[in-house]
Amino acid sequence: KAGVTQTPRYLIKTRGQQVTLSCSPISGHRSVSWYQQTPGQGLQFLFEYFSETQRNKGNFPGRFSGRQFSNSRSEMNVSTLELGDSALYLCASSLVDRRETQYFGPGTRLLVL
Amino acid sequence: AQKVTQAQTEISVVEKEDVTLDCVYETRDTTYYLFWYKQPPSGELVFLIRRNSFDEQNEISGRYSWNFQKSTSSFNFTITASQVVDSAVYFCALREGNFNKFYFGSGTKLNVKP
Repeated sequence: KAGVTQTPRYLIKTRGQQVTLSCSPISGHRSVSWYQQTPGQGLQFLFEYFSETQRNKGNFPGRFSGRQFSNSRSEMNVSTLELGDSALYLCASSLVDRRETQYFGPGTRLLVL
Repeated sequence: AQKVTQAQTEISVVEKEDVTLDCVYETRDTTYYLFWYKQPPSGELVFLIRRNSFDEQNEISGRYSWNFQKSTSSFNFTITASQVVDSAVYFCALREGNFNKFYFGSGTKLNVKP
């Protein structure tokens, strides 16, 4: 069974731009969560989606948004990028009835210049 | 206040030594889950174990073992006879109640030297 895939793996943007990251969950997994990992703040929860609806949200500004499609694939968008948005963005998927067990993808490393 | 504290920032051991990674958590919920994840240099978080708050039994899986003690709010992880391939950053995490929002510790970097 293929694992969680994230594209792109690496991305370089400049301040003020926007970016869209994609996540394809493990087949059969309908819950997708997103995390930001930085050296200073560690791993922080962004949001969770299942059944195309946001179910939980972390403490991030509205510049961070996401969505989920009917095939469970998810995208997250960051608008008006700031230098501090440079991070590893991790996606995790889980079965809806076993949401407590999450399987992570390799992440997208975003560098904002 | 931090919900999950991993006081050990970095640990270095020599191969075949045993090593214990500490994790202390804080929650008011009676129902919660605790996790350990391994993050190798490649970046992907690898799930190691899940334990719910009603199950205080210790668990052993090969060279790995976990000690869950609610009385001290700790969920420690021991690697027996460490190997170079165990070198990674290890994260402890807490999931409270029915909200699928995880709180991660700051991680412990384990260096196993040959």
